[in-house]
Amino acid sequence: SQKIEQNSEALNIQEGKTATLTCNYTNYSPAYLQWYRQDPGRGPVFLLLIRENEKEKRKERLKVTFDTTLKQSLFHITASQPADSATYLCALMNTGFQKLVFGTGTRLLVSP
Amino acid sequence: EPEVTQTPSHQVTQMGQEVILRCVPISNHLYFYWYRQILGQKVEFLVSFYNNEISEKSEIFDDQFSVERPDGSNFTLKIRSTKLEDSAMYFCASSARQGWRETQYFGPGTRLLVL
Repeated sequence: SQKIEQNSEALNIQEGKTATLTCNYTNYSPAYLQWYRQDPGRGPVFLLLIRENEKEKRKERLKVTFDTTLKQSLFHITASQPADSATYLCALMNTGFQKLVFGTGTRLLVSP
Repeated sequence: EPEVTQTPSHQVTQMGQEVILRCVPISNHLYFYWYRQILGQKVEFLVSFYNNEISEKSEIFDDQFSVERPDGSNFTLKIRSTKLEDSAMYFCASSARQGWRETQYFGPGTRLLVL
């Protein structure tokens, strides 16, 4: 069956360090992979999208890599700040531009 | 910046009652979605809607659920006879067409509690 796995344990890092979050998937061939941020009690907020033919995408302090051979995406936040503390969701989409399939998310805690 | 809005923010209802959750998608977006998130669990797709009809739905979206775009701005999710297990956050999302349509923008959610 299709599965999307993200680290279920919270990731604790110090301010200024680089946070790296992992998303692994099985039995899926997504056309797109997206990362969202979710704060408690709020809706997911779109961060970055990467297509299957792209290896890397950057936006300000964020970087996403996508390895379709390993079936893995890495999400990096450089120079992390306490305001980056949130849950980060990985989501896959097939070529039909319909549903997003979400992972369970990884909670990031950035301490001063 | 345009955003998806949802009302109400919280809804408490009795089991067996009907509820309607409302959403105003981003203007000029053509694809609309409902997702739900049970407390502590992942966000799950319910239904997608385009050109005034359902284009895809999940197994969660059974006969108790329906969606409608009653006018040019609102998009609603109706649960006909609520069950305890329908308690969740319900998120509406919308996306634009042609190339950028795969980016879905989510609303703040409606927290539904069924007693």
